[in-house]
Amino acid sequence: GNSVTQMEGPVTLSEEAFLTINCTYTATGYPSLFWYVQYPGEGLQLLLKATKADDKGSNKGFEATYRKETTSFHLEKGSVQVSDSAVYFCALSDSGTGNQFYFGTGTSLTVIP
Amino acid sequence: GAVVSQHPSRVICKSGTSVKIECRSLDFQATTMFWYRQFPKQSLMLMATSNEGSKATYEQGVEKDKFLINHASLTLSTLTVTSAHPEDSSFYICSAPHAKSETQYFGPGTRLLVL
Repeated sequence: GNSVTQMEGPVTLSEEAFLTINCTYTATGYPSLFWYVQYPGEGLQLLLKATKADDKGSNKGFEATYRKETTSFHLEKGSVQVSDSAVYFCALSDSGTGNQFYFGTGTSLTVIP
Repeated sequence: GAVVSQHPSRVICKSGTSVKIECRSLDFQATTMFWYRQFPKQSLMLMATSNEGSKATYEQGVEKDKFLINHASLTLSTLTVTSAHPEDSSFYICSAPHAKSETQYFGPGTRLLVL
């Protein structure tokens, strides 16, 4: 079946530190992969996505590369800011639009000045 | 980009009453919408898939009679929590797939508190 395993948090980093949040997946088909971010008290916002192997999604300094050989989609940012404090969810969609999303458990990130 | 709205954003109700939550795709049509529930510090749990013009599909363990879903048009789905109880207090989030960008867009969520 389909599932997403995400690095457990919470993660606390100092401003300008390097961030990695690990995400691995299992899928029956050929999924699209996503990272969503949830700021306190808000809904989910799409951060970045990748639809095929070796694609790199990027946005706001965050990057993630779709690695089929390791079934991974790790999120990275070279220099985090206080405003990046949020919960990050890795997700997959097994057949693109209209299909169910499978979410990881979320990783809470706190960036301290 | 595509926008999905939810209304209300917060609702407090007494136990035993019913609460309706609306989910709208503002600038695109969606024949399918998804309803999720999120408990504090946990991930999203898919409750049901809302289908325009037909019955919703519920996930295992979700009571159909308690969580009524109506997909009234290509831009509107509603979730009604009937006879709400304190254990129904949660954060409810809807999403709609945007065909052109092949991405799900999420509403901002509705926080329900049942007293």
